[in-house]
Amino acid sequence: EAQVTQNPRYLITVTGKKLTVTCSQNMNHEYMSWYRQDPGLGLRQIYYSMNVEVTDKGDVPEGYKVSRKEKRNFPLILESPSPNQTSLYFCASSLSGVWQQRETQYFGPGTRLLVL
Amino acid sequence: QKEVEQNSGPLSVPEGAIASLNCTYSDRVSQSFFWYRQYSGKSPELIMSIYSNGDKEDGRFTAQLNKASQYVSLLIRDSQPSDSATYLCAVNFGFQKLVFGTGTRLLVSP
Repeated sequence: EAQVTQNPRYLITVTGKKLTVTCSQNMNHEYMSWYRQDPGLGLRQIYYSMNVEVTDKGDVPEGYKVSRKEKRNFPLILESPSPNQTSLYFCASSLSGVWQQRETQYFGPGTRLLVL
Repeated sequence: QKEVEQNSGPLSVPEGAIASLNCTYSDRVSQSFFWYRQYSGKSPELIMSIYSNGDKEDGRFTAQLNKASQYVSLLIRDSQPSDSATYLCAVNFGFQKLVFGTGTRLLVSP
C-alpha cells in the first residue's frame, strides 16, 4: 500500500529538548516536504527536498532542520523546541514536485506536537 | 508575497444542495490549482486538480478556474453530511512551490 508514515503521532516535550519527527514514504518519490498547520494560518511549508541531499527552505524554516540521506526518509529536527512550535505537522511526498506534470501529493497522518 | 485566500466559513448547506467554495490567488503566472479535503484531525486528501481555464468535473465535484480573474472554485453537487470537512485550496506558484489557503469549513446538515 502506497503511504507516507510519520512517527511519533503525538509528542509532548519541554522547551529546549531536542526532538526528531521521522517521515518515510514507500512510493520512490523524489519530492518530500514538511508542513505545519495552525488554526487560522493554514498549512505552511517548513522545508522541502527535491531528492537525496537536496533540501531547501519553505516559508517558515526558522527553528527547524531537515536531512535527506535516503530517498525514502525525510526527518524533521527541532534542535531546541520552543512553545511557538506547538503545532500539527504533516509530511508529504510526490513524484517530482513539478506540479505542472499533474502529480498528486500524498500526506502523512500528522504529528501533533506540544512544547511546554 | 504569494497568497491564497479563502473564506474560513463555516459554509452551511442542507443535504442535497450545491455547496460552492471559492479561492482567490495573487500571482497571475500560477499554472496548477488543487482542492484538498481535510476532515478534523486528519491529513489533507486531494480531491480535484485543474490546470486550464474552464470547468473540470469528477463525480459530484466540479472545479472551475478563471485565470484572468485569479480565482478557482469548487462546486459540490448533492451535498452529503459526509462532505462536512474543511476544504483547502492550493496553488502552484512556480517550480516546487505549493501554497495553501487557510481553508473553508463546510457543514452539510441532514
